[in-house]
Amino acid sequence: AQSVTQLDSQVPVFEEAPVELRCNYSSSVSVYLFWYVQYPNQGLQLLLKYLSGSTLVKGINGFEAEFNKSQTSFHLRKPSVHISDTAEYFCAVILMGSTGANNLFFGTGTRLTVIP
Amino acid sequence: GAVVSQHPSWVICKSGTSVKIECRSLDFQATTMFWYRQFPKQSLMLMATSNEGSKATYEQGVEKDKFLINHASLTLSTLTVTSAHPEDSSFYICSASLLVTDTQYFGPGTRLTVL
Repeated sequence: AQSVTQLDSQVPVFEEAPVELRCNYSSSVSVYLFWYVQYPNQGLQLLLKYLSGSTLVKGINGFEAEFNKSQTSFHLRKPSVHISDTAEYFCAVILMGSTGANNLFFGTGTRLTVIP
Repeated sequence: GAVVSQHPSWVICKSGTSVKIECRSLDFQATTMFWYRQFPKQSLMLMATSNEGSKATYEQGVEKDKFLINHASLTLSTLTVTSAHPEDSSFYICSASLLVTDTQYFGPGTRLTVL
């Protein structure tokens, strides 16, 4: 069963425009939620995470995400993108109570391309 | 933040040879390390989870005799691709987590090309 869905495989956006990258998850248990960014030929870098508390999470590089339990979503947003934001973005979840320790389940990724 | 390194970053080898990839946590002790494989334009797929001093737990469909994992210390895990074949060509990424947190810190990845 697919735990994490990223509906948009590619998102082109003009520089300085806002962007939202969508992430939905399916789980019958509580989850921890993450967004990672992968620049070309590099490993993953943690953007932000939601473990508990405030549902609005702020991360690095001006990104933020909001956990919406009723809609099982964790969409990533940035009010004004920069050329350097061009990268692959992955949403991931840890299912609480899963048998695997800290096993991250990744979405298929969204390629954000910022157009000058 | 926590830093994880991988070596080598890029390796090309002949079919039938074995390749070892190292994953190190540079500024923290990682009880658990993870190995992922990423195909072009696809997401990361977990291959195995290793805990220091114990045998790795492999995901379904991953051949443990082909992908040997050793986690001999709290800062080092190795993945050995034995008798590599062209279909093993991929981007291999490791991550490490602290004992009591849920954040995995990722290495920069190793691109393996088998000719």
